[in-house]
Amino acid sequence: GAGVSQSPSNKVTEKGKDVELRCDPISGHTALYWYRQRLGQGLEFLIYFQGNSAPDKSGLPSDRFSAERTGESVSTLTIQRTQQEDSAVYLCASSLVLLAGTGELFFGEGSRLTVL
Amino acid sequence: KQEVTQIPAALSVPEGENLVLNCSFTDSAIYNLQWFRQDPGKGLTSLLLIQSSQREQTSGRLNASLDKSSGRSTLYIAASQPGDSATYLCAVRKETSGSRLTFGEGTQLTVNP
Repeated sequence: GAGVSQSPSNKVTEKGKDVELRCDPISGHTALYWYRQRLGQGLEFLIYFQGNSAPDKSGLPSDRFSAERTGESVSTLTIQRTQQEDSAVYLCASSLVLLAGTGELFFGEGSRLTVL
Repeated sequence: KQEVTQIPAALSVPEGENLVLNCSFTDSAIYNLQWFRQDPGKGLTSLLLIQSSQREQTSGRLNASLDKSSGRSTLYIAASQPGDSATYLCAVRKETSGSRLTFGEGTQLTVNP
């Protein structure tokens, strides 16, 4: 696609429910990143994919958070048993692998999650 | 652990002024540094990327410089316009393939007409 696409753009859920957030990276970008941005705060790294594997998932805040990527394309971030502190904008970014490009990151518009 | 600091946290200037945003990082072993712009409620837009071997990059009214040894980068905006109002973020990537970007907290810029 032309850019990184994320869905849903907005999600309101009740505490305790599970949510899934989707990211479609730029076509051909093998590196994919998830970040979280709480209101008024900076970006917090969650997980990085190279192809379908995740060599760095050290930023996932708890075992309620998981992510997968299939076909070296779409990625899904799943949050189980959501808590109010999970409310944030979840941003996805993609880039070419460093050996093939500059490593410039391109971000989607984000998925805004509100947990009531 | 890499830490990225941006100064000032907020800046308000009249239209037409030239301005400088500052970014510092604690670990100089970086692969590259990227400046982004974020409008309210939006994602991040890439402005400039500087590889560790480069000293500066320019795009239109924007110029970013990098002093890797001292752990500093500056973003210079010439002849500022109200449309430049946004939060500006810098981020550094470690000197390993595919590693994460570490972000600063950003500088919130307001350009007044």
